[in-house]
Amino acid sequence: DAGITQSPRHKVTETGTPVTLRCHQTENHRYMYWYRQDPGHGLRLIHYSYGVKDTDKGEVSDGYSVSRSKTEDFLLTLESATSSQTSVYFCAISALNEKLFFGSGTQLSVL
Amino acid sequence: AQSVTQLDSHVSVSEGTPVLLRCNYSSSYSPSLFWYVQHPNKGLQLLLKYTSAATLVKGINGFEAEFKKSETSFHLTKPSAHMSDAAEYFCVVSARERGGKLIFGQGTELSVKP
Repeated sequence: DAGITQSPRHKVTETGTPVTLRCHQTENHRYMYWYRQDPGHGLRLIHYSYGVKDTDKGEVSDGYSVSRSKTEDFLLTLESATSSQTSVYFCAISALNEKLFFGSGTQLSVL
Repeated sequence: AQSVTQLDSHVSVSEGTPVLLRCNYSSSYSPSLFWYVQHPNKGLQLLLKYTSAATLVKGINGFEAEFKKSETSFHLTKPSAHMSDAAEYFCVVSARERGGKLIFGQGTELSVKP
């Protein structure tokens, strides 16, 4: 497996609390992505990054923010978690050839 | 703009019979197309990739896909299903813009009966 670590693997939180998910890579790949996976929707892109401090919105970015201060780390923050953000979150990385490597996912439950 | 449509949300086959998972795409550019597989409680794994070379692409585990520009399709096939093929499959199109943003289909769940 490519060197991608997502933490935490599981998280249960309450509505209105802030949550930060971390993606760490050891591959030195330029591009990093956050997706959420929900039944009937497949994978939807939240935010992505094409370099340190360079990020852009995906198709479902509302309620989420990201930061990339180092090549190896891409943080996803839910400023005030809502029940609709209960999902499985996947981090992915790629170099220039577009092949994605995915992390194992983070199961987030917002109660 | 790019989009991808997987025509079946669920496909069920018997072990040893052929598999066909259908995917149609829309792209303003020459697309890159991918198939990913996700086994239960696992991350995603790349099955195969098309990037404007040969139109018939061979992937891992005996899967292959054919790019048909006239039909805007990229269907995934396998001659003989195995029980271990039971999983969710995603068709993906790449936007040829900064970041190479990928657009995922909604997924097709493949069931394999003994």
